[in-house]
Amino acid sequence: GESVGLHLPTLSVQEGDNSIINCAYSNSASDYFIWYKQESGKGPQFIIDIRSNMDKRQGQRVTVLLNKTVKHLSLQIAATQPGDSAVYFCAENLHGSSNTGKLIFGQGTTLQVKP
Amino acid sequence: EPEVTQTPSHQVTQMGQEVILRCVPISNHLYFYWYRQILGQKVEFLVSFYNNEISEKSEIFDDQFSVERPDGSNFTLKIRSTKLEDSAMYFCASSGHPNTEAFFGQGTRLTVV
Repeated sequence: GESVGLHLPTLSVQEGDNSIINCAYSNSASDYFIWYKQESGKGPQFIIDIRSNMDKRQGQRVTVLLNKTVKHLSLQIAATQPGDSAVYFCAENLHGSSNTGKLIFGQGTTLQVKP
Repeated sequence: EPEVTQTPSHQVTQMGQEVILRCVPISNHLYFYWYRQILGQKVEFLVSFYNNEISEKSEIFDDQFSVERPDGSNFTLKIRSTKLEDSAMYFCASSGHPNTEAFFGQGTRLTVV
């Protein structure tokens, strides 16, 4: 069935350290992936995306890695700050002629940044 | 910066009542979505909408649910007869293309009592 999952429900890191949040997806036909950040009481906020023709994409302090062989996605946050504390979701989109934009979300990882 | 706006932020309704959740997507977007999130759980897809019709819906989106774009700016989700299990955060989202990032609103917290 369809599922996108995360390996760890909670990740606790020290301020200034790097964070790595992992995601496993099951649909090998998915070709577009997004990481969202969700703060308490708010909607998902776009962080970074990657398409299946890429292995790596970098943004400001964030890097997404895609390993299609093992269907694994990761989000790396450099120099984690207290403001990074949130729940992080990966989401996948299946491209094709019938692509409707539907996103399948993973379970979410709670990132806790200790001062 | 353009954003998706949703109203109300919180809606309390009695079981069996109809509710309408409202959204104003980003103005130049053509694809619209509703998702829901039960407390502490992941975000679940409900429905996608394009060119004034539903393009895909999930099993959750049964006959009690409907969507409408009544004018050029609003996008609504109606639940005809609410049940206790409809209590959740409902998020509206929009995108310019189905294969680009979707932007989410802040959500409407629906509480059915």
